[in-house]
Amino acid sequence: GIQVEQSPPDLILQEGANSTLRCNFSDSVNNLQWFHQNPWGQLINLFYIPSGTKQNGRLSATTVATERYSLLYISSSQTTDSGVYFCAVDPVVSNQFYFGTGTSLTVIP
Amino acid sequence: NAGVTQTPKFRVLKTGQSMTLLCAQDMNHEYMYWYRQDPGMGLRLIHYSVGEGTTAKGEVPDGYNVSRLKKQNFLLGLESAAPSQTSVYFCASSMRDNYGYTFGSGTRLTVV
Repeated sequence: GIQVEQSPPDLILQEGANSTLRCNFSDSVNNLQWFHQNPWGQLINLFYIPSGTKQNGRLSATTVATERYSLLYISSSQTTDSGVYFCAVDPVVSNQFYFGTGTSLTVIP
Repeated sequence: NAGVTQTPKFRVLKTGQSMTLLCAQDMNHEYMYWYRQDPGMGLRLIHYSVGEGTTAKGEVPDGYNVSRLKKQNFLLGLESAAPSQTSVYFCASSMRDNYGYTFGSGTRLTVV
């Protein structure tokens, strides 16, 4: 099956810092999503981004499908950004999403 | 607008017992999904449904059954629980297959 690798696995930031999270995938995909799981376990959809760039406030995402990667940018990080960030991909030969193992982000004041 | 609601939120089962997890959505979404989340393994798809009366297997379907008798509800059943099914279970829904997911708040299941 498709391999979905996220890096870095863990990240600690000072409040106000910027960061880039990466998602690499091994096969062609139809779709890609980014999620944030907060410390209480709730999963929130951040972006649905099969290709191109999208922005939502301090967060933005870019997917380069031809090169099989996506990036999530977090600017001016806040303590509420802490949690685990997952990317999930929908391979061309499948009709279900496969999740990466996530990047655990801790933002310290 | 409640979104996706999962019940129960917590449950402890003994090995061999059965139970049903309920997922309800009020967004009129066609697609619904059941995932399990285990430490260090991300989320894995158990079963999914592309509409009322339909179900399909995901990545890890063994030991689980599902039903989608009504569009708004997706039930996940464990017929004979095993310790390996200790996990956090998430339900999600989407308008259709190329739209983003909305997740429920999860059910923490422990099988002893």
